[in-house]
Amino acid sequence: ELKVEQNPLFLSMQEGKNYTIYCNYSTTSDRLYWYRQDPGKSLESLFVLLSNGAVKQEGRLMASLDTKARLSTLHITAAVHDLSATYFCAGYTGTASKLTFGTGTRLQVTL
Amino acid sequence: NAGVTQTPKFQVLKTGQSMTLQCAQDMNHEYMSWYRQDPGMGLRLIHYSVGAGITDQGEVPNGYNVSRSTTEDFPLRLLSAAPSQTSVYFCASSPQGLAKNIQYFGAGTRLSVL
Repeated sequence: ELKVEQNPLFLSMQEGKNYTIYCNYSTTSDRLYWYRQDPGKSLESLFVLLSNGAVKQEGRLMASLDTKARLSTLHITAAVHDLSATYFCAGYTGTASKLTFGTGTRLQVTL
Repeated sequence: NAGVTQTPKFQVLKTGQSMTLQCAQDMNHEYMSWYRQDPGMGLRLIHYSVGAGITDQGEVPNGYNVSRSTTEDFPLRLLSAAPSQTSVYFCASSPQGLAKNIQYFGAGTRLSVL
């Protein structure tokens, strides 16, 4: 059974700083997804990482996948207040055709 | 574009009542799913469907039923509501499964069971 763990669970950072959110998963997962959720809102898809070594970037966010280490990272560069949200990673179980979500990382960017 | 539409947005039930959460998508997506979101626990899969007429259980299916008679609709039924089912429920859809595609989420239904 796939288990997904994120850390940290809560992250407070100043504007302009860099930081990384980590997503570890327990068994083979060839696909890794990142989502963003604003308070009281739905989930917005950020990235789908399809293979080992995959790297995707959108604005100040960059996601990568290392399937051998069973690790995905979401790197935030020069954070701005608008990035404040909860970020979820999710692993894909192909045999069961479903996603398993991590518990989320609540990011707070302060001025 | 409507995308994934969930109704109602809010609902309060008494213990033992039944109700149906509606989910509809207008993108002709084959894959649809229901999640519940509880504080500190992320999203947990309740049921999912890979196409009309096909459904399967997720991580936390007990107390919930689903059916998929059309591609567009995937209702979630609570048979006898319990306080433990107080949660935020999200419906999602994806074209042709999840192998390479993102999921599109609805706005959610906030359910309180008293």
